[in-house]
Amino acid sequence: NAGVTQTPKFQVLKTGQSMTLQCAQDMNHNSMYWYRQDPGMGLRLIYYSASEGTTDKGEVPNGYNVSRLNKREFSLRLESAAPSQTSVYFCASSEAGRGITDTQYFGPGTRLTVL
Amino acid sequence: GQQLNQSPQSMFIQEGEDVSMNCTSSSIFNTWLWYKQDPGEGPVLLIALYKAGELTSNGRLTAQFGITRKDSFLNISASIPSDVGIYFCAGPWVGNNNDMRFGAGTRLTVKP
Repeated sequence: NAGVTQTPKFQVLKTGQSMTLQCAQDMNHNSMYWYRQDPGMGLRLIYYSASEGTTDKGEVPNGYNVSRLNKREFSLRLESAAPSQTSVYFCASSEAGRGITDTQYFGPGTRLTVL
Repeated sequence: GQQLNQSPQSMFIQEGEDVSMNCTSSSIFNTWLWYKQDPGEGPVLLIALYKAGELTSNGRLTAQFGITRKDSFLNISASIPSDVGIYFCAGPWVGNNNDMRFGAGTRLTVKP
């Protein structure tokens, strides 16, 4: 099992460009998440998908859109990148749905720089 | 809001020493989680706590869920070089187990 995979690992964008970060999990998990991590800060939730076909905003959703393409895949799109979106982006998944907080498994991250 | 405050921000210790770090909040949490992040990787769950007063161990790591539900502690005994990394506390936003909040982390350096 590969667990949670993310592509690309690194990306440099110019202000105003768009891009999609891809995430896939092979653990048959129901829930998937996108976080960003800025220097000296913890992770902040951007969007999550509690189950296939649903998405919800997290703590910092502005400037992002998401798509739960199927149970395995959850993508994050930046329509018009801004320097404030320079960050490391982590995707995570969890089995979820059992009434307690499930363990979240994280991918290796995508390091994004917006010039 | 439901912010998590971790201290200390960083620690420099000698191999073999014990380590203590903590996490506090002005709000009650029903679950406390402790993660470790190695350089260039995503966080990995170390310990999960679900009940006030609970004390749970995972090898050399011990964590406690404070009885006020507003704090949690993580101890590492007999530190080794591979303990280096950033340790995060986290907890779900009350009423939504999918909305996880993280502290800013404690960066641990272990000198051989």
